Amino acid sequence: EIVMTQSPATLSVSPGERASLSCRASQSISNNLAWYQQKPGQAPRLLIYGASTRATGIPARFSGSESGTEFTLTISSLQSEDFAVYYCQQYNNWPLTFGQGTKVEIK
Amino acid sequence: QIQLHQSGPGQVKPSQTLSLTCAISGDSVSSNIAAWNWIRQSPSRGLEWLGRTYYRSKWYTEYVSSVKSRININSDTSKNQFSLQLNSVTPEDTAVYYCARGLATVDYWGQGTLVTVSS
Repeated sequence: EIVMTQSPATLSVSPGERASLSCRASQSISNNLAWYQQKPGQAPRLLIYGASTRATGIPARFSGSESGTEFTLTISSLQSEDFAVYYCQQYNNWPLTFGQGTKVEIK
Repeated sequence: QIQLHQSGPGQVKPSQTLSLTCAISGDSVSSNIAAWNWIRQSPSRGLEWLGRTYYRSKWYTEYVSSVKSRININSDTSKNQFSLQLNSVTPEDTAVYYCARGLATVDYWGQGTLVTVSS
């Protein structure tokens, strides 16, 4: 099973600032990596797939990048609605696995 | 417009069977391009993909090894729904259970069902 490790666990950011979230895979997953956003009481929402392709309707302030087995989600200028928990997920191998999440909170 | 609607009890006794159903509207459980999943979420285990079923000229199911001996995912084409059965539950199986559509990533989710395993 591929283990996905996210860091940091919590990120404190002021509105308007940039946030960078990291995700590392325990082995090569090519670019088969997705990012989700989850708000309290809701199911996760797909933001990014293919490591860097935004899903339908996702604002351009969300971007994804990859370097080997390291992946980054960047939110260029945090809006109030962006404070949430973010998860990465690999879909290179079954079972599909998620990271443990990064909570982005208001500083 | 695709919607997934979950139904099933919110409480199950230890050693009994957890059963949930996901009714699909706007798509078909026997679609040749979709997959139908059960995913759960708990504070201790995070998001855990339990299993999936999909149709590609025949039916396929895949399960995560941690529950493989206790899980069954079935499809019902006449009702356009799929279901989860998890046997011999323990308090460790307490979680929010989601049904979801997606072969690699999830684009549609059910509303989630909090299932508590308690006597």
